[in-house]
Amino acid sequence: GQQLNQSPQSMFIQEGEDVSMNCTSSSIFNTWLWYKQDPGEGPVLLIALYKAGELTSNGRLTAQFGITRKDSFLNISASIPSDVGIYFCAGQLFKAAGNKLTFGGGTRVLVKP
Amino acid sequence: NAGVTQTPKFQVLKTGQSMTLQCAQDMNHEYMSWYRQDPGMGLRLIHYSVGAGITDQGEVPNGYNVSRSTTEDFPLRLLSAAPSQTSVYFCASSYRGGGPQHFGDGTRLSIL
Repeated sequence: GQQLNQSPQSMFIQEGEDVSMNCTSSSIFNTWLWYKQDPGEGPVLLIALYKAGELTSNGRLTAQFGITRKDSFLNISASIPSDVGIYFCAGQLFKAAGNKLTFGGGTRVLVKP
Repeated sequence: NAGVTQTPKFQVLKTGQSMTLQCAQDMNHEYMSWYRQDPGMGLRLIHYSVGAGITDQGEVPNGYNVSRSTTEDFPLRLLSAAPSQTSVYFCASSYRGGGPQHFGDGTRLSIL
């Protein structure tokens, strides 16, 4: 089946830093989604990308849908403590049965001690 | 706004016991899905439904049953729990016409 490789698996941030994470696939997707999960909660949608090459922002978050449709990245600018959590990329095929998603393994964002 | 509601939030079972994880949504979404989340593996699709009376298998369906008698509810049943089913389970829903899935807060299940 399709697999999404998400990197890095974890990262430490210092307040004010910009951070970046990416996701690559062995096959193409028609939609890329980025979710954030806080402890004890379900994933919450951050950004949805629907076209190859699309660059979309949501506040301090920016995500891009790769030209090959096999990758996507998420940038967080000027990070703040509440950015801590797990970020997941997810791919979706056009008219996927049940709108089902394929998820990456997640990037755990932690605060530098 | 309730969104997607999952119960219980936590559960501990013994091997061989059965139980049902409940999921309800109040957004009139046609599609509903169950995922499990294991460390380092993201979320994997167990079963999904495109409408009342219609269900299908996802990536990891073995050991789980589902039914969809109403648009609002999509319960997940474990008939004979196994330690390998220890995980966090998420229910999600979305509109038929596409668009992102909305997730509940999860059920944390431990099987001893």
